[in-house]
Amino acid sequence: DIQMTQSPSSLSASVGDRVTITCRASQSISSYLNWYQQKPGKAPKLLIYAASRLQSGVPSRFSGSGSGTDFTLTISSLQPEDFASYSCQQSYSTPITFGQGTRLEIK
Amino acid sequence: QVQLVESGGGLVKPGGSLRLSCAASGFTFSDYYMYWIRQAPGKGLEWVSYIHYSSTYTNYADSVKGRFTISRDNAKNSLYLQMNSLRAEDTAVYHCARGSTWIQLSEFDYWGQGTLVTVSS
Repeated sequence: DIQMTQSPSSLSASVGDRVTITCRASQSISSYLNWYQQKPGKAPKLLIYAASRLQSGVPSRFSGSGSGTDFTLTISSLQPEDFASYSCQQSYSTPITFGQGTRLEIK
Repeated sequence: QVQLVESGGGLVKPGGSLRLSCAASGFTFSDYYMYWIRQAPGKGLEWVSYIHYSSTYTNYADSVKGRFTISRDNAKNSLYLQMNSLRAEDTAVYHCARGSTWIQLSEFDYWGQGTLVTVSS
């Protein structure tokens, strides 16, 4: 199984900050990496697919990069609605696996 | 708009069974791979199972293989998960999610809010 490791597991930041979350795969997954945002009691929301492609309707302050084993999700200027949990997911091979999540909190 | 609404969760004793449903609307259900993904309290997301758009094949996580069965009824725009021999570690919120029209493994562009399954005596 491919292990997905996110860092940090939690992060405190302020509105307007630039934030980066990293995701590392235990083996190369090419660009088969997707990012989700999740708020309590709500359905997860796809933000980025294929490592760097912005899902339709997602604000452009979200961006993704990386390939192989190392990936990043960047939020260029945090907005109040961005405080949530973020998870990466590999779609390279079964079993599909997710990172453990990063909780983004207001400082 | 695309909607996925899960139902059927609840409290069940260890060894018991439960059947989850996911009602889909707003898209051509029969064109898409569909998935079940769960999240245990305080834990990350865990893929459970997926099914081909015409039910030709299915796949399961090792943790549920032999106990859970995924199925779909394209005429009713519905996805199901039959869960047998439930264990405490199956306690989680179960989400259905939409995959791709052409590839087994993909991103999930729409998710339901989930239904809570609690396995406890």
